[in-house]
Parts: sequence; C-alpha cells; structure tokens
Amino acid sequence: GAGVSQSPSNKVTEKGKDVELRCDPISGHTALYWYRQSLGQGLEFLIYFQGNSAPDKSGLPSDRFSAERTGGSVSTLTIQRTQQEDSAVYLCATQGLRGGVGYTFGSGTRLTVV
Amino acid sequence: DAKTTQPNSMESNEEEPVHLPCNHSTISGTDYIHWYRQLPSQGPEYVIHGLTSNVNNRMASLAIAEDRKSSTLILHRATLRDAAVYYCILSLGSNFGNEKLTFGTGTRLTIIP
Repeated sequence: GAGVSQSPSNKVTEKGKDVELRCDPISGHTALYWYRQSLGQGLEFLIYFQGNSAPDKSGLPSDRFSAERTGGSVSTLTIQRTQQEDSAVYLCATQGLRGGVGYTFGSGTRLTVV
Repeated sequence: DAKTTQPNSMESNEEEPVHLPCNHSTISGTDYIHWYRQLPSQGPEYVIHGLTSNVNNRMASLAIAEDRKSSTLILHRATLRDAAVYYCILSLGSNFGNEKLTFGTGTRLTIIP
C-alpha cells in the first residue's frame, strides 16, 4: 500500500481482556517498529523487527505484551489481560532496506482499557 | 544513547521563518541528527536528517553547528499546518533499518495567525 496501515484505529476493551493490534507495512519495507504514546507523553519504543525476527524486544513492558511478524509483512502486537495503564496510542513505523527517508508511521491504534 | 535538549514550546507568526534549536553536546562522530514532527492526532512524520553538512529538502532546512553539538531546524515560511511537536533525535548511523530511534518530549510549535 501507499502508507503504513494500522487497525483498528480505535479499540475500547474491558480490563482483563486480550487485544490484538495490526500493522500493515509499506510493501517491501523490511524493518518494522512498534511504539506507544500515552496521553501527552513522548513515544516509548516497544519492539523492532527486521524481516520476521525481532532483534530488539527491550521495550516490551511486561510478559503480557508480545508481537509477531509473518512473511516479512504484517505484524501483530498482542496485549494479554489488559490493564488500565495499557491505555495509549500504539504506533507502528516501517523502514525500507535502502533507508534514506526515515521511518514512515501509521496513524496508530488508540487503545482504551475500561 | 546521546541525548538531545529542546525547548518545550515555541511560538511563531504565520508566514515568518521558524528556527527550532536542538542541543546535543554528547553527540559522537557517527551519530546522525534526525528531525521528525507529529501533527495532532497523527503519527510522527520524517522531516530531515544530516550528519555534518547543512541539508535542504522540500520541507525544511537543517543547519548543523561546526562542532556538531547543536543543530537548528529551519522552516522558511511557517503556515498553520506546521503547528506540531518537533522531535530532534540522534541515531548511530543512517542505516535506519537496524536501530530504534529514541524520541524525547520535543518542542511544541504554535503558529499564530
């Protein structure tokens, strides 16, 4: 596609439920990053993929968070047993192999845990 | 990671140039300087990056001090659509695909009509 697509754009879930957030990268972009942004805060790095492997998972805040990427394309971020502090905008960014123009971000998924 | 320091907020009049400063006194020789901006309710958007020389593109100019301890993002003629949070970020290299970018709190730019 022309840009990075994230779905859903908004998600309201009850505390304790599991949620899956999806990121469709720009075709051919090999590097994929997940960030989250709490209200009024800066971006917090979560995890990075190069192809299907994740060399850097250092930002995942707990074992309730996991992510996978298949076929070097779509990535899914899963949050199990959601807590209210998980409420944030989850942003996906991708980068092509040749670089030069930086990350392209999606518009994010706004997650609200009630 | 080398850190950057930016003013929390700035204001500028519409149709005037804007100079957004960034200090990075602990920058290493291989660190690139990147600028992104985030418009309201959107993901960040790449603006420009550079290493040592000043850089120009269709969005902005990047002026890098000779000692590289500071840089300035220049919007030549601000419009209301330039109102955003501007982030100055250092990375270990231009090989974007192999490292994460660490975003600070940035500078919130307000454009006055």
